[in-house]
Amino acid sequence: GIQVEQSPPDLILQEGANSTLRCNFSDSVNNLQWFHQNPWGQLINLFYIPSGTKQNGRLSATTVATERYSLLYISSSQTTDSGVYFCAVDYTGTASKLTFGTGTRLQVTL
Amino acid sequence: DTGVSQDPRHKITKRGQNVTFRCDPISEHNRLYWYRQTLGQGPEFLTYFQNEAQLEKSRLLSDRFSAERPKGSFSTLEIQRTEQGDSAMYLCASAYSGNTIYFGEGSWLTVV
Repeated sequence: GIQVEQSPPDLILQEGANSTLRCNFSDSVNNLQWFHQNPWGQLINLFYIPSGTKQNGRLSATTVATERYSLLYISSSQTTDSGVYFCAVDYTGTASKLTFGTGTRLQVTL
Repeated sequence: DTGVSQDPRHKITKRGQNVTFRCDPISEHNRLYWYRQTLGQGPEFLTYFQNEAQLEKSRLLSDRFSAERPKGSFSTLEIQRTEQGDSAMYLCASAYSGNTIYFGEGSWLTVV
């Protein structure tokens, strides 16, 4: 099956700092989504981004499908950004079976 | 829009007992998914419904697990003869047209 690797596995930032999270995948995909899992376990969908670039406030994401990676940028980080960020991919285009990456655990400190 | 709703949020059960989780998707979402997540891991796919049809099942879904989605609305996930290895968070998600998917808050299962 498709392999999804995320880096770094852990990240500690001071409030206000910027960061880049990476997701590499082993095969062609036509569905890629980024999620944030807060400390209470809730998974929040951040982006549906099988290709191209999107921005939403302090967050933006870029997927280069031909090179099989995606990047999530967090600018001016806040303590509420803490949690685990997951990349999830699917090759069918229907999101019938998303395969999640290993996650990046982010801690933002004051 | 109310979000994806799951019930119960927490369940502690003795080994060997049966448990059932319910999921109410976002209204008009025709796709419904069940995932399982253990501590420190990403969610793992269990099964997928389009309307009332169960279109895909993971090999993780042993014969002790069964899921239904009668009438294409809410869904239930039943685990029979629970084992300690079933302890996990069970996540339900829904989507319309298979693009952005939305997760519920999860149902935590502890088997003692």
